[in-house]
Amino acid sequence: GENVEQHPSTLSVQEGDSAVIKCTYSDSASNYFPWYKQELGKRPQLIIDIRSNVGEKKDQRIAVTLNKTAKHFSLHITETQPEDSAVYFCAAGGGGGAQKLVFGQGTRLTINP
Amino acid sequence: NAGVMQNPRHLVRRRGQEARLRCSPMKGHSHVYWYRQLPEEGLKFMVYLQKENIIDESGMPKERFSAEFPKEGPSILRIQQVVRGDSAAYFCASSQDRVISPLHFGNGTRLTVT
Repeated sequence: GENVEQHPSTLSVQEGDSAVIKCTYSDSASNYFPWYKQELGKRPQLIIDIRSNVGEKKDQRIAVTLNKTAKHFSLHITETQPEDSAVYFCAAGGGGGAQKLVFGQGTRLTINP
Repeated sequence: NAGVMQNPRHLVRRRGQEARLRCSPMKGHSHVYWYRQLPEEGLKFMVYLQKENIIDESGMPKERFSAEFPKEGPSILRIQQVVRGDSAAYFCASSQDRVISPLHFGNGTRLTVT
C-alpha cells in the first residue's frame, strides 16, 4: 500500500520568509496529492491540491510542486504571516482507483513575528 | 451548504463501555471516510464506505471496531469495550462520487476513555 513520508516535523521561520515542506510517496500509481492545514483543536482543511498530470500549481502565496519521477511533492508558502502557523499535512492517493488518502505525519509550522 | 457534521464533539466513556460516533456527509456526497488522530500525530485511515457498503476497511482494528453507512441516516463508527488507547480524535470526511475528489472533514469527535 501507499506510504507517505513528510519532512520536517517542525519548522520555524521569520514572518515574511518562505517555508517549504516536502513529502515523498511510495506508490507510483498515486495520482492525487492534497495539502491540509490543521489549526489547534480544529479540523483539517484543504488548502491546495495537485493531480499527477500537472507539475506545479499556485494559489496566491501557496504553491505545490510535483516530481512524479522522484515521487515527491512539496508545499511552498511565501511571505509567511502569523496566521500561517499551524500543522500541515500532505497526502497521496487515487492509485488504482483507490479513493482513500494516506497522510504524512505532519509538519508543525511556527511563524515568528 | 452544510459541511460534514459529526456528533458528539466530545465523548467521555469509561473502560469497557461502547462509543458511537456519528457522521453526516456533505450534501451531494456519497463517500464517507473515517480517520483517527492521536495527540501530536497524523491522520490514520480507518475505513471507507459508500451507502450500505464497506469499500475499504484495511485501517480498522480487527476487534471491537465496526462502521456502517446505512441507506438512510448518518454513518456510524462503533467502538465496543473501549480501552484507554482508544482515546483520540476521530474525524469523518466525505467526498463526491468520482475518482478521486477532495475530502472535506468534519470537526471531529474527541473520545476520552477514563
